[in-house]
Amino acid sequence: DAGVIQSPRHEVTEMGQEVTLRCKPISGHNSLFWYRQTMMRGLELLIYFNNNVPIDDSGMPEDRFSAKMPNASFSTLKIQPSEPRDSAVYFCASNPDRASTDTQYFGPGTRLTVL
Amino acid sequence: GESVGLHLPTLSVQEGDNSIINCAYSNSASDYFIWYKQESGKGPQFIIDIRSNMDKRQGQRVTVLLNKTVKHLSLQIAATQPGDSAVYFCAENYGGATNKLIFGTGTLLAVQP
Repeated sequence: DAGVIQSPRHEVTEMGQEVTLRCKPISGHNSLFWYRQTMMRGLELLIYFNNNVPIDDSGMPEDRFSAKMPNASFSTLKIQPSEPRDSAVYFCASNPDRASTDTQYFGPGTRLTVL
Repeated sequence: GESVGLHLPTLSVQEGDNSIINCAYSNSASDYFIWYKQESGKGPQFIIDIRSNMDKRQGQRVTVLLNKTVKHLSLQIAATQPGDSAVYFCAENYGGATNKLIFGTGTLLAVQP
């Protein structure tokens, strides 16, 4: 199994530009999570999907952030317009959503730097 | 319970010693707990989990202990190795229909050769 795949691994952009982060969950997993990690705030859940439907987006910072999951094997997190305070590592995780486990499996992350 | 802050607790141990990393969780209704390991530049990696109907669970060189009375979780690593150096996070699931995890701030384990 390839695990959760994220792209790009690193992104450097200028303030005001649109940024799109991509995630491919583990095949067969029904839930997908987007997290942001910073030194100041630790690991924060932004949004999660179950069967491609957004369930909880209470962690999304503001309207500049949006996430989609058009099918079971792909999700995007978009920031438009980006700001320097959005600089962080963004992780995607997936979960098989079986009653026997709630374990989430994380991707390698995308390190975003907004100048 | 743990709160978000600027300071990452650090545990420094000698290679070969046993390590104990502690976590105070916040919700008495939480019914599932996980320990993750995060190495520099990588995503969190699952180590071991435990459900609230258990108080101890063992894996390979790792043991998780759960004390629901005081809402405390610990991770014990036997014969700590340099490769164990990482940040360790505990996470709790609040229970119910959601499979949302809440993560602690983490503990940095530094293994001295």
